[in-house]
Amino acid sequence: ILNVEQSPQSLHVQEGDSTNFTCSFPSSNFYALHWYRWETAKSPEALFVMTLNGDEKKKGRISATLNTKEGYSYLYIKGSQPEDSATYLCAFIMDSSYKLIFGSGTRLLVRP
Amino acid sequence: DGGITQSPKYLFRKEGQNVTLSCEQNLNHDAMYWYRQDPGQGLRLIYYSQIVNDFQKGDIAEGYSVSREKKESFPLTVTSAQKNPTAFYLCASSIDLRGYLRNQPQHFGDGTRLSIL
Repeated sequence: ILNVEQSPQSLHVQEGDSTNFTCSFPSSNFYALHWYRWETAKSPEALFVMTLNGDEKKKGRISATLNTKEGYSYLYIKGSQPEDSATYLCAFIMDSSYKLIFGSGTRLLVRP
Repeated sequence: DGGITQSPKYLFRKEGQNVTLSCEQNLNHDAMYWYRQDPGQGLRLIYYSQIVNDFQKGDIAEGYSVSREKKESFPLTVTSAQKNPTAFYLCASSIDLRGYLRNQPQHFGDGTRLSIL
């Protein structure tokens, strides 16, 4: 059984704090890792698709790193804002597969 | 704007009843997917389709059926054989089944919440 683990399950921070959370996945047969942001009452929105070990991607105040050899990815948010409040999902794709295997998400709440 | 439309947002099913969830996309994507979300769990794949008139079972297909008669439409039927249908259902699409080869993510609808009366 392939498992994708995300931690922490939930996180409450103050506006302006920087934060990060983790996605762990099987390190063998890695092909790609996706990050999505899912705001309440909206559809999940793609943040990053990462394919290479050592990849670092950035979108505004949000960035992500990828370590395929040890099987983890970090998502960082610099200077959190209330509009960053959402559930952040990661999903792993194994080589020769088509399926995204999702973690259960990290729910972030940013207090003004 | 291009996107994925799911309807209805909320749906109630009586015992022994089949219900159909609609999913339409105007992104010209070949691949479409149905996921189920339960509290505390990751999205789980029910069915997927990589082209018109073709679809495959995902990890939890029992009690569900789909059709893909048109490229833009991928309806999901929750049959009476699905004993625990109460969940949130998400439809998604991608350029093709291996869209990640070109760094392409999946695009999602807003979801349908199904409850049992």
